[in-house]
Amino acid sequence: QAVVTQEPSLTVSPGGTVTLTCGSSTGVVTSGHYPYWFQQKPGQAPRTLIYDTSKKHSWTPARFSGSLLGGKAALTLSGAQPEDEAEYYCLLGYSNFRGVFGGGTKLTVL
Amino acid sequence: QVQLQESGPGLVKPSETLSLTCTVSGDSISSYYWTWIRQPPGKGLEWIGYIHYSGSTNYSPSLESRVTISLDTSKNQFSLKLTSVTAADTAVYYCARSHGYFWGPGTLVTVSS
Repeated sequence: QAVVTQEPSLTVSPGGTVTLTCGSSTGVVTSGHYPYWFQQKPGQAPRTLIYDTSKKHSWTPARFSGSLLGGKAALTLSGAQPEDEAEYYCLLGYSNFRGVFGGGTKLTVL
Repeated sequence: QVQLQESGPGLVKPSETLSLTCTVSGDSISSYYWTWIRQPPGKGLEWIGYIHYSGSTNYSPSLESRVTISLDTSKNQFSLKLTSVTAADTAVYYCARSHGYFWGPGTLVTVSS
């Protein structure tokens, strides 16, 4: 089974920009992996921020964007807010969307 | 507004079968994919599998031998069965539409005698 890798932790200053990445042990991440990005705060269910690489949910703040960058899926946060402090998970689909989650990135806004 | 709600026993004995149901409101289960995901306490998310409205399924290789996901279109529900559970199956179980577009709030299932 493929392994999906994310940065374990990142720190961003309020108002700053940070990019989280999502890599695959099988090689380059493409749009065919239909990358998803989820935000999870303590004690809450995850909620979708990005699906199909770059599409936003109705509730996704404009400061979040998804892309493919350097062979990986990427989630960029521009203008970080204190409420963006959370765990972020990516999900990639393989073989008829057999999904694999990354280990998560703990984002600190400090 | 689409809502999903997991239900089922919160405690299951080792070696028994874990059974959960996800009730969908605000949408028809006769469309989309319907997915189960779990999260052990303090750990990351694990994809379990999905069922397509056509009835086709796809499961995680690590769970495939023990998992069954099914649809009940008459009740607008889909279900998860996980056999031969151990303590390692203790987790919050989430149901979701598509591959995570909408999520339920999750339900904690503890495997213990």
